[in-house]
Amino acid sequence: DVKVTQSSRYLVKRTGEKVFLECVQDMDHENMFWYRQDPGLGLRLIYFSYDVKMKEKGDIPEGYSVSREKKERFSLILESASTNQTSMYLCASRLQGADEQYFGPGTRLTVT
Amino acid sequence: SQQGEEDPQALSIQEGENATMNCSYKTSINNLQWYRQNSGRGLVHLILIRSNEREKHSGRLRVTLDTSKKSSSLLITASRAADTASYFCATDATDSWGKLQFGAGTQVVVTP
Repeated sequence: DVKVTQSSRYLVKRTGEKVFLECVQDMDHENMFWYRQDPGLGLRLIYFSYDVKMKEKGDIPEGYSVSREKKERFSLILESASTNQTSMYLCASRLQGADEQYFGPGTRLTVT
Repeated sequence: SQQGEEDPQALSIQEGENATMNCSYKTSINNLQWYRQNSGRGLVHLILIRSNEREKHSGRLRVTLDTSKKSSSLLITASRAADTASYFCATDATDSWGKLQFGAGTQVVVTP
């Protein structure tokens, strides 16, 4: 079974703080994704990575950066958290060439 | 941008009844996928239908695809309380390099 884990289920941060969200997958998947989920908007892609040290902007990259130094780990960084980044953040992974994405349980981030 | 749009936004049925939800999209696709999300959790892949397929079954799930109308439907037969969840369609557009576009989801409540 593919397992995707995220470092925190719930996180509360203050405006201006630097925030790190970590995602780890255990199935040697090449592709990894970060989404945010907001009511009425579904999932929106922030960044994705096809392989180690590779990253591509998604639909809403502003205010975020990512790091993929190891194949199993994909980090999302909020350089200076703002209240409009309060959201549910979901990480996913996928085997290169496959269709199905495997999701982590999500991190609900609140920025106050 | 939001490619898939689900209809209805919410659905309330009793156990044993069938649940039908629809998804419309805008561009040419390689495949369309349906995912389920239990409250506050990550998404789980349910079923995939390719652009050259018209209907697919998996257990109590039946998905149809009409590429001429750019629409898909998901039918859950003989619903159970455990089917209570949000359901999302996701499209893999032909020019998307494997990125998925998710709709806003249909929230289904199945009461015993």
